[in-house]
Amino acid sequence: AQSVTQPDIHITVSEGASLELRCNYSYGATPYLFWYVQSPGQGLQLLLKYFSGDTLVQGIKGFEAEFKRSQSSFNLRKPSVHWSDAAEYFCAVDPPRFGNEKLTFGTGTRLTIIP
Amino acid sequence: EAQVTQNPRYLITVTGKKLTVTCSQNMNHEYMSWYRQDPGLGLRQIYYSMNVEVTDKGDVPEGYKVSRKEKRNFPLILESPSPNQTSLYFCASSKGTGYTDTQYFGPGTRLTVL
Repeated sequence: AQSVTQPDIHITVSEGASLELRCNYSYGATPYLFWYVQSPGQGLQLLLKYFSGDTLVQGIKGFEAEFKRSQSSFNLRKPSVHWSDAAEYFCAVDPPRFGNEKLTFGTGTRLTIIP
Repeated sequence: EAQVTQNPRYLITVTGKKLTVTCSQNMNHEYMSWYRQDPGLGLRQIYYSMNVEVTDKGDVPEGYKVSRKEKRNFPLILESPSPNQTSLYFCASSKGTGYTDTQYFGPGTRLTVL
């Protein structure tokens, strides 16, 4: 079955430390890949997306993600986190035969930042 | 300001009492969608609409109805709510369904069905 997995439910990171959030997908072909962030009490905001080309994608708020076909992964990274990065992060995939209307979301990773 | 608005933001109701959650966008977007978010399950799509009068089921449509009579509005209707529909609901819209079209999300509606 097609799926997207975020193995880490909750991650705690010290402010200023680096961050990596994991995302793995299971599809027959490479899907289109997205990372969204949900701040407390807010809707989701798109951080970045990957369709093709350069496998290292830059997004907003200093985030980047790297697509690795061999590992079926699309991990999100940030070199130095800020307290305002505390939020829930969702990886999403879109099978290539559909347009953007069939996004499938992972279960999310909650990020806590400690001083 | 470009935005997706939802009303109400919070709602507590009882089993069987029909309710409607409104969604409106001011970006002239063609595509709109409803999701529900549950702990440990992420977001799951309920219904989506490619344009006026065009709607289709998502992954979890049972117990929900939608309509798209105007481009800007996409209400979610629960004809007979049940406790398993207690959830956080998000509306989203995008210009189209191309891969470069970003979905914009509303702030969410937290629904409790007693």
